[in-house]
Amino acid sequence: DVKVTQSSRYLVKRTGEKVFLECVQDMDHENMFWYRQDPGLGLRLIYFSYDVKMKEKGDIPEGYSVSREKKERFSLILESASTNQTSMYLCATGGGYYGYTFGSGTRLTVV
Amino acid sequence: AQSVTQLGSHVSVSEGALVLLRCNYSSSVPPYLFWYVQYPNQGLQLLLKYTTGATLVKGINGFEAEFKKSETSFHLTKPSAHMSDAAEYFCAVSEDAGKSTFGDGTTLTVKP
Repeated sequence: DVKVTQSSRYLVKRTGEKVFLECVQDMDHENMFWYRQDPGLGLRLIYFSYDVKMKEKGDIPEGYSVSREKKERFSLILESASTNQTSMYLCATGGGYYGYTFGSGTRLTVV
Repeated sequence: AQSVTQLGSHVSVSEGALVLLRCNYSSSVPPYLFWYVQYPNQGLQLLLKYTTGATLVKGINGFEAEFKKSETSFHLTKPSAHMSDAAEYFCAVSEDAGKSTFGDGTTLTVKP
């Protein structure tokens, strides 16, 4: 089975900090995705990548950036964390016909 | 553009009763359709999917869903609810090569 590992389950950061959320998949999947999940809003796509060093904006990219230097790793970066970025962040791989395999999520609190 | 509407943010059933979670989608091309389940403090897990072929698809844990093109629906059912089915369920549609659009989710409560 494909496994997707997110480096932290819970994070607490201060406003203005630069935050890195890491995601690693153990299969040779081209596609990787970052979503945020908020109550009543479902999952919203932040960024995605179809290949190394490639990135595409999703529906809510403002305040975020990403990095994909290696095929198995896709990092989400909050350049200057704000309280409205307090959320559950979910990394996924796969997509299309296959559907997604998700990581366990990182619950980020910005204080 | 694709979109998903899940009717009812909260559904409550008694143990042993029928589970019906509703999903309607909008898509400009024949879509791929998915249901995912999320248990507390976990990521989402794929329950079942429709891609092509048979319109009634079976998934894990006794769930199934039927693709109805004329109604643009993909409702999730289970004949008899179990306490362990309590979770949040998400319907999703994919028409691009990779991206999916999700509904807002339905929280299922199962009463003893």
